[in-house]
Amino acid sequence: QITLKESGPTLVKPTQTLTLTCNFAGFSLTTSGVGVGWFRQPPEKPLEWLALIYWDDDKRYRPSLKNRLTVSKDTSKNQVVLSMTDMDPMDTATYFCAYRAPSDGPPTTWFDPWGQGTLVIVSS
Amino acid sequence: SYVLTQPPSVTVAPGQTARIPCGGNNIGGKVVHWYQQKPGQGPVLVVYEDSDRPSGIPARFSGSNSGNTATLTITRVEAGDEADYFCQVWDHSSDQPYVFGLGTKVTVL
Repeated sequence: QITLKESGPTLVKPTQTLTLTCNFAGFSLTTSGVGVGWFRQPPEKPLEWLALIYWDDDKRYRPSLKNRLTVSKDTSKNQVVLSMTDMDPMDTATYFCAYRAPSDGPPTTWFDPWGQGTLVIVSS
Repeated sequence: SYVLTQPPSVTVAPGQTARIPCGGNNIGGKVVHWYQQKPGQGPVLVVYEDSDRPSGIPARFSGSNSGNTATLTITRVEAGDEADYFCQVWDHSSDQPYVFGLGTKVTVL
């Protein structure tokens, strides 16, 4: 059974750096084709894809946030870490990580399962 | 970037059928996935690649996609189906390829 769980601070001050950790079980990030994505859901707004890290350490970022985001993995700890610099109240959202399965054919374009999410509030 | 449009809410009586549309320019030419999200929980995939169901998802959940509208259909609606449902596509031509609709709140009377 694959599970993911996000953790990190609930309250962050403006200009600070946010660091979130996704602890996962039931798969290895060394398996070919596997990926872990990060998303956020601001209040009353749609989900936004933020970043994706693949088994081979290839990384993709949302272009509008690319300068602020860093994603990394620690395969020995079964963790993926997302950092976001220069936090702003507009970054207040629930942040999720999710599993992207490998595929023998065309790449998988959905994510399942997801973590329960962690709420991040940016306020002074 | 690609835009997905969903109605904010759908209301349905128990035992009836709920149809949740997801509009997009020529969305029939893209692959659509659907997620269910209950309060305080992460999204759960209920339909992928337009009409396939992950294991464990009841056959009451089905999907279709044609023209400018994809549709998630829930037959024999139960109280436990009350949740937000949102669609997602992969826009291969975009550098932010994972696009989500705003979501539709399904209320069971």
